[in-house]
Amino acid sequence: DVKVTQSSRYLVKRTGEKVFLECVQDMDHENMFWYRQDPGLGLRLIYFSYDVKMKEKGDIPEGYSVSREKKERFSLILESASTNQTSMYLCASSFVGTQETQYFGPGTRLLVL
Amino acid sequence: DAKTTQPPSMDCAEGRAANLPCNHSTISGNEYVYWYRQIHSQGPQYIIHGLKNNETNEMASLIITEDRKSSTLILPHATLRDTAVYYCIVQPSDNYGQNFVFGPGTRLSVLP
Repeated sequence: DVKVTQSSRYLVKRTGEKVFLECVQDMDHENMFWYRQDPGLGLRLIYFSYDVKMKEKGDIPEGYSVSREKKERFSLILESASTNQTSMYLCASSFVGTQETQYFGPGTRLLVL
Repeated sequence: DAKTTQPPSMDCAEGRAANLPCNHSTISGNEYVYWYRQIHSQGPQYIIHGLKNNETNEMASLIITEDRKSSTLILPHATLRDTAVYYCIVQPSDNYGQNFVFGPGTRLSVLP
């Protein structure tokens, strides 16, 4: 079975804290993605990675960075958390190539106080 | 912007077939139609995808019109656990880092 896991389901942090969200996939996928989901705005892509140590900015990268040191693991880092980063964060992965489905993790609901 | 339009909400009686429509009139020849669903507070779950032929798997059937401008997702015997938001997405076949653009979807309520 396809498996994408995220380090936490719920997280509460304070403004200014550095926050790490981790995602692990066990499908040997090349592509990994970080999205955030907010009511009325749908899913928005923050960053994606198509290989180890490779990354590309998505639609809303400001305030975030990512790290991909191993193929199965993709980390999202909030350098200095702010209240407008309160959101649901979703990780996904897929193979590179034709018609490759993205598989999503369960999500991390982050609250920044 | 999402390239698809879906009704915002639908109801379906438990045990009956749920037919969820999607319009994608600007779909191009190399774009697939994908369906995902999202149960409250969970990540999106892949259901099915297709190019031009009808597809069926253990979860659902996908019917794509001959002109490919619309499609219907069919859940043959809806259960209460099928209550979710269903998203129809078109995506090019060459997936080199293409993110999925999720529109607002259809909120399906399966009623007892």
